[in-house]
Amino acid sequence: NAGVTQTPKFRILKIGQSMTLQCAQDMNHNYMYWYRQDPGMGLKLIYYSVGAGITDKGEVPNGYNVSRSTTEYFPLRLELAAPSQTSVYFCASSVQASPGNTIYFGEGSWLTVV
Amino acid sequence: GESVGLHLPTLSVQEGDNSIINCAYSNSASDYFIWYKQESGKGPQFIIDIRSNMDKRQGQRVTVLLNKTVKHLSLQIAATQPGDSAVYFCAERKAAGNKLTFGGGTRVLVKP
Repeated sequence: NAGVTQTPKFRILKIGQSMTLQCAQDMNHNYMYWYRQDPGMGLKLIYYSVGAGITDKGEVPNGYNVSRSTTEYFPLRLELAAPSQTSVYFCASSVQASPGNTIYFGEGSWLTVV
Repeated sequence: GESVGLHLPTLSVQEGDNSIINCAYSNSASDYFIWYKQESGKGPQFIIDIRSNMDKRQGQRVTVLLNKTVKHLSLQIAATQPGDSAVYFCAERKAAGNKLTFGGGTRVLVKP
């Protein structure tokens, strides 16, 4: 099992550019999440999905979009990159209604918008 | 609003001493409280959790205490080791959507 895999690891974007952060999990988890982490801060939930075809907003969804066409993949889309979106992005997955020890995080994607 | 926060941003500990990391929360509806460890350049790693109807839970070298009266959570690390140097986050979980709300983090520095 690879667990939760995120790509790319690092990316520099210019203001106004768009990109997609990829996330894949091979554990057949139905719940998937995208978090962002600003320097010295905790993680904030951007979007989450409770299953294929179902997505919902988290705390900080503005400027992002997601899709969940399959159980395995949960890409995060930035349409018009802004400097405020410079952050580290973490994808995570879990089985339904599981406690904290079964929420698996990816290694993170470092995004800089200049 | 609903939030989870930490009292101390940085904690310096002598190797072999015990560490105590504190966290305050404001949402009483959470069903689990969780501690994560995050090493530089990596994603959060689960340490230990405690259900909201418990006061104390022990793991290997770690103990989590929950005081619901004052909405306070703490993580105790026994015999702190250099490998314990990291940022520690508390988080609370709401069963609906299995969503986590994270606090701001405490950096633990272990001095040799």
